Amino acid sequence: DAGVTQSPTHLIKTRGQHVTLRCSPISGHKSVSWYQQVLGQGPQFIFQYYEKEERGRGNFPDRFSARQFPNYSSELNVNALLLGDSALYLCASRQGSYNSPLHFGNGTRLTVT
Amino acid sequence: GQQLNQSPQSMFIQEGEDVSMNCTSSSIFNTWLWYKQDPGEGPVLLIALYKAGELTSNGRLTAQFGITRKDSFLNISASIPSDVGIYFCAGATSGTYKYIFGTGTRLKVLA
Repeated sequence: DAGVTQSPTHLIKTRGQHVTLRCSPISGHKSVSWYQQVLGQGPQFIFQYYEKEERGRGNFPDRFSARQFPNYSSELNVNALLLGDSALYLCASRQGSYNSPLHFGNGTRLTVT
Repeated sequence: GQQLNQSPQSMFIQEGEDVSMNCTSSSIFNTWLWYKQDPGEGPVLLIALYKAGELTSNGRLTAQFGITRKDSFLNISASIPSDVGIYFCAGATSGTYKYIFGTGTRLKVLA
């Protein structure tokens, strides 16, 4: 079975621009989470979606938004990019229960110049 | 953002040695996860723990859910060069979908 797939793998944007990152979960997984990983740190929680509804949001500004589609894939959108948004953005899927483990994709490396 | 404290921050070991690392939290968790991350890749799940005191193995890896529910431990026996990478712990409390990750332990194995 295919794992979590993310696109694009790398992205370079300019300050003030907008970016959309995409994620397809493992088949059968209904829940998708987004995490930001800054170089040298552990992943930080951004959003959790389950059955197309937002179930949790981390301490990120409103410039960050996400949605989940009927096929359980997901998009993360970031508006008005800042230099500090440069990071690895990880998508993870899980089977749905709150304590089930996360299965990560290989991430999208975003560089903001 | 909030991160769990992992110790040690980094370590060099000889091939064949055993490795121990731990993760501590100020909060009680109901689930502990351990991940390994290689450069340019996403974290890969190693072990999941769901009950205080639980001891779970995955090949040469053994992890324990601390009895206080505020810590967890990972041991790697007979390390090999491919064990190189960054190891992250993650914990979650009851009723939340959010996992909090540790600061990571960077492991380097000397052949």
